[in-house]
Amino acid sequence: DVKVTQSSRYLVKRTGEKVFLECVQDMDHENMFWYRQDPGLGLRLIYFSYDVKMKEKGDIPEGYSVSREKKERFSLILESASTNQTSMYLCASRPGTGGRETQYFGPGTRLLVL
Amino acid sequence: QKEVEQDPGPLSVPEGAIVSLNCTYSNSAFQYFMWYRQYSRKGPELLMYTYSSGNKEDGRFTAQVDKSSKYISLFIRDSQPSDSATYLCAMRQTGANNLFFGTGTRLTVIP
Repeated sequence: DVKVTQSSRYLVKRTGEKVFLECVQDMDHENMFWYRQDPGLGLRLIYFSYDVKMKEKGDIPEGYSVSREKKERFSLILESASTNQTSMYLCASRPGTGGRETQYFGPGTRLLVL
Repeated sequence: QKEVEQDPGPLSVPEGAIVSLNCTYSNSAFQYFMWYRQYSRKGPELLMYTYSSGNKEDGRFTAQVDKSSKYISLFIRDSQPSDSATYLCAMRQTGANNLFFGTGTRLTVIP
């Protein structure tokens, strides 16, 4: 079974703090994704990575950065957290080549910025 | 206009009912269509996957894609309380990496 794990289920941070969200997958997938999920807005793509050290902006990259130093790990960084970044953050991974299309999701990190 | 539109519900049905969940989309280039189920405070899990038009059945679940109408559906037969969750449709183009998601429909099956 594919497993995508996220470092924290719940986080509370203060405005202006630097926040790191970690995601690890154990299936050697090339592609990894970070989404945020907000009521009424659905899942919105923040960043994705198709290879180590490669990254692409998604729909809402402002205020975020990412790091992929190893294939299995994809980190989301909030350089200076703000209250409008309070959200559910979901990491996902997907194999790089064709065939069955699926993204496997982690359990999510619920972030509250005070 | 959003790429993918989905009625957020909420939808409440009695146990044993047939449930119909739907999404419409605007991009005719979408070729891969998925339904994810998300239980409260959990990550989405893939439920059904179809390529291009047609039907796909898996147990009590049937996914339909009508590309001419840009409309996809998920049917749940003999619904169970354990089906209570938010259902998200998602789709993408061939060769693209990212998925476009609907906002999700919250379903409650009442025993």
